[in-house]
Amino acid sequence: DMKVTQMPRYLIKRMGENVLLECGQDMSHETMYWYRQDPGLGLQLIYISYDVDSNSEGDIPKGYRVSRKKREHFSLILDSAKTNQTSVYFCASSSGMNNQAPLFGEGTRLSVL
Amino acid sequence: QQQVRQSPQSLTVWEGETAILNCSYEDSTFNYFPWYQQFPGEGPALLISIRSVSDKKEDGRFTIFFNKREKKLSLHITDSQPGDSATYFCAASGSTGANTGKLTFGHGTILRVHP
Repeated sequence: DMKVTQMPRYLIKRMGENVLLECGQDMSHETMYWYRQDPGLGLQLIYISYDVDSNSEGDIPKGYRVSRKKREHFSLILDSAKTNQTSVYFCASSSGMNNQAPLFGEGTRLSVL
Repeated sequence: QQQVRQSPQSLTVWEGETAILNCSYEDSTFNYFPWYQQFPGEGPALLISIRSVSDKKEDGRFTIFFNKREKKLSLHITDSQPGDSATYFCAASGSTGANTGKLTFGHGTILRVHP
């Protein structure tokens, strides 16, 4: 079953703490993404990964870093989280062939207090 | 500068009517335009998509009309149903240069269908 799985689904952290969001996919997709969604702003691309250790900044990379050591897994790390990073984070994946639309996970709701 | 714009921000129609959601873009290198549907508490799900070589794509009650010269497209939902009530996102990506594989989203249109 084609699926993008995000863990955890809900997370509450204090300002200054480190945050790790995990994403997995079972389709051997080359390309993976991290987006954040805020009310009224649509989805904004944080990072894109074209394959293992081949990562590229998106439109809003500041304050975030990513790690992709296996094709199936893509992690988003917030070092010393800030309150303005409270948001819903979506991971997605797509085949690198012919510019296919990404498949999205169900999201992680992060609150930074 | 917002690369993908959607209008209206919200739209209310009666059951059975046709809902028209609009989208425009800036970057002429964009050549792939998926539309996503999102229900509260869920991730966006691909609804229908079109490539710039086509001017129309139909899938059941959902049709995309694409005007490359004007950099505009629209999503028509015919015979709207209450279950179509959701937020709809227009997105765009290119296959060359800096836009390769990077999907840029509009801010979305909230559609409400009244029974």
